[in-house]
Amino acid sequence: GQNIDQPTEMTATEGAIVQINCTYQTSGFNGLFWYQQHAGEAPTFLSYNVLDGLEEKGRFSSFLSRSKGYSYLLLKELQMKDSASYLCAVRDLFGSGGYNKLIFGAGTRLAVHP
Amino acid sequence: DSGVTQTPKHLITATGQRVTLRCSPRSGDLSVYWYQQSLDQGLQFLIQYYNGEERAKGNILERFSAQQFPDLHSELNLSSLELGDSALYFCASSPKGEAVADTQYFGPGTRLTVL
Repeated sequence: GQNIDQPTEMTATEGAIVQINCTYQTSGFNGLFWYQQHAGEAPTFLSYNVLDGLEEKGRFSSFLSRSKGYSYLLLKELQMKDSASYLCAVRDLFGSGGYNKLIFGAGTRLAVHP
Repeated sequence: DSGVTQTPKHLITATGQRVTLRCSPRSGDLSVYWYQQSLDQGLQFLIQYYNGEERAKGNILERFSAQQFPDLHSELNLSSLELGDSALYFCASSPKGEAVADTQYFGPGTRLTVL
């Protein structure tokens, strides 16, 4: 089966660091994405991991461990505008043609307070 | 702005009706994906088209259908609407849809309200 788990809600303080975890179980793994989504708006792409390790992009970093089915998104120097939902999505390989689809977790609502 | 456009932005209709949602992908992208996001729910994959052909199907109801036209824009048709169909419907596009590093970019969504 396919399953992606993330915490439902998290809170953090402006200027701090927060880590959002994601665990997954899929039949065929071919990459993991993190998206940010403000309420009522479109998800926007943050990061992509396909190999184990850490990918750093400014204040945001994403880590992947394929053997553990685990990823995290690390947000540093938090700002009020980082209050949003963070979606973990796994590309699940399927079909003989190798066409991939994204399976999204329910998202983690992050509230940043002063 | 992702470059993906969707119309209309908002749609209010009654149960039993039929609506059409439209999506134009980013310039050069061949794949279009449709997702449904209900209140407090995650993004549910509905269907993918690649260069005019259906490529993948998710949990799409039989009352829903989609197509991708030669100019690569796509339409999602929702018929016999029920209250539970009220949701945000997102379209996303990507260059190919099967390459390892293919990233999906999302449009602003259409908010459908069924009364």
